[in-house]
Amino acid sequence: GAGVSQTPSNKVTEKGKYVELRCDPISGHTALYWYRQSLGQGPEFLIYFQGTGAADDSGLPNDRFFAVRPEGSVSTLKIQRTERGDSAVYLCASSYLPTSSTDVNNEQFFGPGTRLTVL
Amino acid sequence: AQKITQTQPGMFVQEKEAVTLDCTYDTSDQSYGLFWYKQPSSGEMIFLIYQGSYDEQNATEGRYSLNFQKARKSANLVISASQLGDSAMYFCAMSTTGANSKLTFGKGITLSVRP
Repeated sequence: GAGVSQTPSNKVTEKGKYVELRCDPISGHTALYWYRQSLGQGPEFLIYFQGTGAADDSGLPNDRFFAVRPEGSVSTLKIQRTERGDSAVYLCASSYLPTSSTDVNNEQFFGPGTRLTVL
Repeated sequence: AQKITQTQPGMFVQEKEAVTLDCTYDTSDQSYGLFWYKQPSSGEMIFLIYQGSYDEQNATEGRYSLNFQKARKSANLVISASQLGDSAMYFCAMSTTGANSKLTFGKGITLSVRP
């Protein structure tokens, strides 16, 4: 079956521009996550969707970053007034919701990422 | 807050030999999950193995096993019979209970397998 897909695979933009990054999760996965991976680092959590709503956006670095998931499937990460420090690989992951409040086996399936370069 | 520490510099292993990649973690939660992911140069994150904090047996998945030592808060990945295709970045990660099972990742370890 199809995995998580992300478009575009690469995005080059100029400082100050607006960008949108798209994520198409695995069908049936209710949970969707965005992570940012800077060069030489592990992924860092940005935002988590449970269905259509953002259940946790505590990882968004500032109010230039916003994400939506209007129909509970595809999600778009939006970055306004891009800065050079926003350059990174943006990873999307999806999973089933935890089966209970004590369930920690949250295997997340990752997309190939979008490499964002801000000049 | 959760923290994952991976401090090994780049690791090298001879093909067909075993290698251990270190991971220590810190959390105040009683229930948590530990994961290892592989990231080849192509960039995708590939799930390898999972260990729950209450699991008494160490997890195994094919050539991968997780050496879980709860008292020492370590979750080392052991790869047996290394193959050239194992050359990649390896990330240790942790999840916790609750509605949001976001993963907290370490910085990763680069593994190079020599023929």
